[in-house]
Amino acid sequence: EVQLVESGGGLVKPGGSLRLSCAASGFTFSNAWMSWVRQAPGKGLEWVGRIKSKTDGGTTDYAAPVKGRFTISRDDSKNTLYLQMNSLKTEDTAVYYCTTINWVAARYYYYYMDVWGKGTTVTVSS
Amino acid sequence: IQLTQSPSSLSASVGDRVTITCRASQGISSYLAWYQQKPGKAPKLLIYAASTLQSGVPSRFSGSGSGTDFTLTISSLQPEDFATYYCQQLNSYPPWTFGQGTKVEIK
Repeated sequence: EVQLVESGGGLVKPGGSLRLSCAASGFTFSNAWMSWVRQAPGKGLEWVGRIKSKTDGGTTDYAAPVKGRFTISRDDSKNTLYLQMNSLKTEDTAVYYCTTINWVAARYYYYYMDVWGKGTTVTVSS
Repeated sequence: IQLTQSPSSLSASVGDRVTITCRASQGISSYLAWYQQKPGKAPKLLIYAASTLQSGVPSRFSGSGSGTDFTLTISSLQPEDFATYYCQQLNSYPPWTFGQGTKVEIK
């Protein structure tokens, strides 16, 4: 069974740091592109960023609100995705989901996020 | 690229046909997905590439559109379909963005 399990959430003060983990199982993690999505309390979904597989370059992309503060990385030997969050702000309070990124290749690549974890909650408050 | 969904919420009855619209601020070809989210749960992929039904999703769900205007249609609303629906654009050049969501409630 394909599964993603996030961990590492908690309460942190503004300006602090936190590292989230996402343990993957049931698929070949090293081949997968992965993403983080967050949802503030009572709000909609917000894409945070993505990381490609190492064979596709391992590069990362981020949403503007987190660029320069958040870093996505992966350890393929541990089948684990990470989100390092620094200089946290109260507006970073959210449930953080990790997802797989899949695609269908036609004339172009059509991406989608097909497997989601259950999320981990991050609260930034003094 | 900004996505605007309409309506933000709607009330409908079981058996109704429901249509949700997603408009992009610039053309995104068919780089659009739709998700369903129930309270306290992770989102679930319904449709990708604007009109391709994800495996296991009931055929009452359908998607259409290309360029800037897209629709998600539920042909006959079922009790388990009451949820919030989001569109997302995933073109070749992130950042990727979501619409603000459409909440489908029981009439």
